[in-house]
Amino acid sequence: EPEVTQTPSHQVTQMGQEVILRCVPISNHLYFYWYRQILGQKVEFLVSFYNNEISEKSEIFDDQFSVERPDGSNFTLKIRSTKLEDSAMYFCANLDRGTYEQYFGPGTRLTVT
Amino acid sequence: SQKIEQNSEALNIQEGKTATLTCNYTNYSPAYLQWYRQDPGRGPVFLLLIRENEKEKRKERLKVTFDTTLKQSLFHITASQPADSATYLCALDMRGYQKVTFGTGTKLQVIP
Repeated sequence: EPEVTQTPSHQVTQMGQEVILRCVPISNHLYFYWYRQILGQKVEFLVSFYNNEISEKSEIFDDQFSVERPDGSNFTLKIRSTKLEDSAMYFCANLDRGTYEQYFGPGTRLTVT
Repeated sequence: SQKIEQNSEALNIQEGKTATLTCNYTNYSPAYLQWYRQDPGRGPVFLLLIRENEKEKRKERLKVTFDTTLKQSLFHITASQPADSATYLCALDMRGYQKVTFGTGTKLQVIP
């Protein structure tokens, strides 16, 4: 069964540094999403991406965040200047347009020190 | 903004019984209401989706109901097993393939 993969599985960074989280989506899925989950809290929507542009974003997704598909396959989330409160699990997800099922990746645990 | 409440943070149930989890929401009914399973340290896994014009959906031991008048969905696991122990998340997709809003989840423990 095809699956979404994410790298790295764990990233430790210092406050103020830039991080790039990577996702390899399922090949024929065209809708992509990033979510985050702070430890012990709910899964929060960050951004949806379709046809090489952002289709919707949440209040969390401010100017520090950006997304892109640099090579037509990978899907990245960049945080320009990390803050302590960015520490969370970040999940990439793809949508199967036929069934509306979202397939989540295993996540990247980001720790900002 | 849309608010989602799942009935309890934790639910303990004896093996073999039916577990029933509740999801209530405010404001407008979503186009799609989804249920996911999440294990510790893992990403959510899609279980079932129900559309706003559907009343009930089944998949193996799982059943979801959707009542847009009560603004509520019920999620049932029949003949529960210890392997069903996990956190179950309710999620609303208001318009389809855009933003999905998750509830805080109910942690189900099935006791042997």
